[in-house]
Amino acid sequence: AAGVIQSPRHLIKEKRETATLKCYPIPRHDTVYWYQQGPGQDPQFLISFYEKMQSDKGSIPDRFSAQQFSDYHSELNMSSLELGDSALYFCASSLQGLAVPRTGELFFGEGSRLTVL
Amino acid sequence: AQSVTQPDIHITVSEGASLELRCNYSYGATPYLFWYVQSPGQGLQLLLKYFSGDTLVQGIKGFEAEFKRSQSSFNLRKPSVHWSDAAEYFCADSTDSWGKLQFGAGTQVVVTP
Repeated sequence: AAGVIQSPRHLIKEKRETATLKCYPIPRHDTVYWYQQGPGQDPQFLISFYEKMQSDKGSIPDRFSAQQFSDYHSELNMSSLELGDSALYFCASSLQGLAVPRTGELFFGEGSRLTVL
Repeated sequence: AQSVTQPDIHITVSEGASLELRCNYSYGATPYLFWYVQSPGQGLQLLLKYFSGDTLVQGIKGFEAEFKRSQSSFNLRKPSVHWSDAAEYFCADSTDSWGKLQFGAGTQVVVTP
């Protein structure tokens, strides 16, 4: 079965550079979530989108922005990168439409590891 | 706000022995609780979830969890662990906002021969 696809899997950037992470949800899933997991930390919710509209926002820095496109893929843009942005970034998707029973299950991708030097 | 805590940062267990991972939640209403497993360098995989109903929940890979309101706990158990169960386990809840998971700090499980 198709899973959540994230690209790139690994990314190395210098301080003050910009990075873009991409997420392709499971087909027919309408909701995308972004999480950040620092070294030895638990995943922290950043932002989510339902039907291409931002649905919830967590601890996402102002230097970061994200959007969901018409084909439901999502991109996380990170500017003015700092050393502390080095982390594993997870994307997850789910089907949250009102017409279907809510299962609450998020399907996670394998993550994109960002290293800022 | 709802939160979950995992008191044990690290647990070592022998292969074939039983395993119990603790998770406590803090909320008055019935929470939406999950257990996820993360193998090294991998994403998060859902083991099981609890929304309502039967308080003993069966999951994948032989795991189960029991919701105990009186103890505000949702502990994960497995009767006999396998070496492949070595991983980090996260308890999470989404009571405050659907899909916005709040994770516990995680419990690292090491399986010895």
